Amino acid sequence: QSLLTQPPSVSGAPGQRVTLSCTGGSANIGTGYDVHWYQQLPGSPPKLLIYKNTIRPSGVPDRFSGSKSDTSASLAITGLQAEDEATYYCQSYDSSVTGWVFGGGTTLTVL
Amino acid sequence: QLQLQESGPRLVKPSETLSLTCSVSGDSTTNSDYYWGWVRQPPGKGLEWIASSIYGGIAYYSPSLTGRGTVSLDTSNNQFSLQVVSLTAADTALYFCTRHHARPPYNFDSWGQGALVTVSS
Repeated sequence: QSLLTQPPSVSGAPGQRVTLSCTGGSANIGTGYDVHWYQQLPGSPPKLLIYKNTIRPSGVPDRFSGSKSDTSASLAITGLQAEDEATYYCQSYDSSVTGWVFGGGTTLTVL
Repeated sequence: QLQLQESGPRLVKPSETLSLTCSVSGDSTTNSDYYWGWVRQPPGKGLEWIASSIYGGIAYYSPSLTGRGTVSLDTSNNQFSLQVVSLTAADTALYFCTRHHARPPYNFDSWGQGALVTVSS
């Protein structure tokens, strides 16, 4: 069981806005460690989507945004497009295991 | 531009040892701003960080490896490697080599394409 909890799936229609959640605890997000988000398309390695809670790397559309509060974080996607269908993972650092942790992933389906 | 490429046997028998190597181009494994690590993904499942090492520092391992793993840097060949002993079917996974920041924000910024390792007799 992951130390970061994500809902297994979420869906939305093209053009809509969806929010993906990532819930942690006192040894990771709650301690102040940053949260990062990755997008994984089938057959590909993960791609960094958001780092340090809110920052988009160069080339990531501004339809993607991140936020963090207390022991959780969220990834919002606006203007949903078919190409956004993928699995999204949150990631942080956890002091209880002295290592890096990923959420279980949320699969986004564009209806 | 950083490139990471995994290599090694893709079929390993139970109880034997997995050995994977990651070849690095575009950066040096002596760069102590980064950890050089491994993340695996069992078929149809999520990502799991398992091990990382840094030049001049110590290696860290996920508790899930239960002491079976070793990650090491080969700076002369600009590579790093992963060994996992006493394999079981549960170790069957896509293994990614990665680079990640050694200081906050601690994110992973580069990934190899992945090597699918199957543990089967």
